[in-house]
Amino acid sequence: AQSVTQLDSQVPVFEEAPVELRCNYSSSVSVYLFWYVQYPNQGLQLLLKYLSGSTLVKGINGFEAEFNKSQTSFHLRKPSVHISDTAEYFCAVSVSGGYNKLIFGAGTRLAVHP
Amino acid sequence: KAGVTQTPRYLIKTRGQQVTLSCSPISGHRSVSWYQQTPGQGLQFLFEYFSETQRNKGNFPGRFSGRQFSNSRSEMNVSTLELGDSALYLCASRTGDLNTEAFFGQGTRLTVV
Repeated sequence: AQSVTQLDSQVPVFEEAPVELRCNYSSSVSVYLFWYVQYPNQGLQLLLKYLSGSTLVKGINGFEAEFNKSQTSFHLRKPSVHISDTAEYFCAVSVSGGYNKLIFGAGTRLAVHP
Repeated sequence: KAGVTQTPRYLIKTRGQQVTLSCSPISGHRSVSWYQQTPGQGLQFLFEYFSETQRNKGNFPGRFSGRQFSNSRSEMNVSTLELGDSALYLCASRTGDLNTEAFFGQGTRLTVV
């Protein structure tokens, strides 16, 4: 069975500092990887996705992530965060042939302080 | 282009009642998935519908059911509500092709009292 582990439940960071949100997955088959962001009382918005090709993926709002197959990781990074990045971030996997079923991690709460 | 619309946004029901939630996907999208989000269990997949057929199902009791209409709109029904069904229910819309981006609605906040 597939699973996703987000290693940090909360990450506090100061404005303009870099940040990394960690995500590890477990699967015996090919996976597709996603990062979503959720603002309070909102649905989920896709930040970026890895389907195939280059392992470094760039997304919206200056975020990027690197797929590392040997370490089964897909960590999210941003070189300089803003107050507006404060939100909950979810890593998710979709299994090849799994018909669009997303398996989510528990989420990481990013708190950006001035 | 209109996004995914979920109605109602908020709902309060009593234990034992049933509830129906609605989701209108993005125009042209044929796949609708439902997820339950709770503080304790996080985001969990309920089911996916594609062209009026349930294509995938999560590990939820039979009290949770859904359907999809010919215009791709979907409804989710929960019967015999329990306190633990209190959650944010999210609907995701896709074109229908495998592993494409899912667009989420704002969700329906269900409170069972």
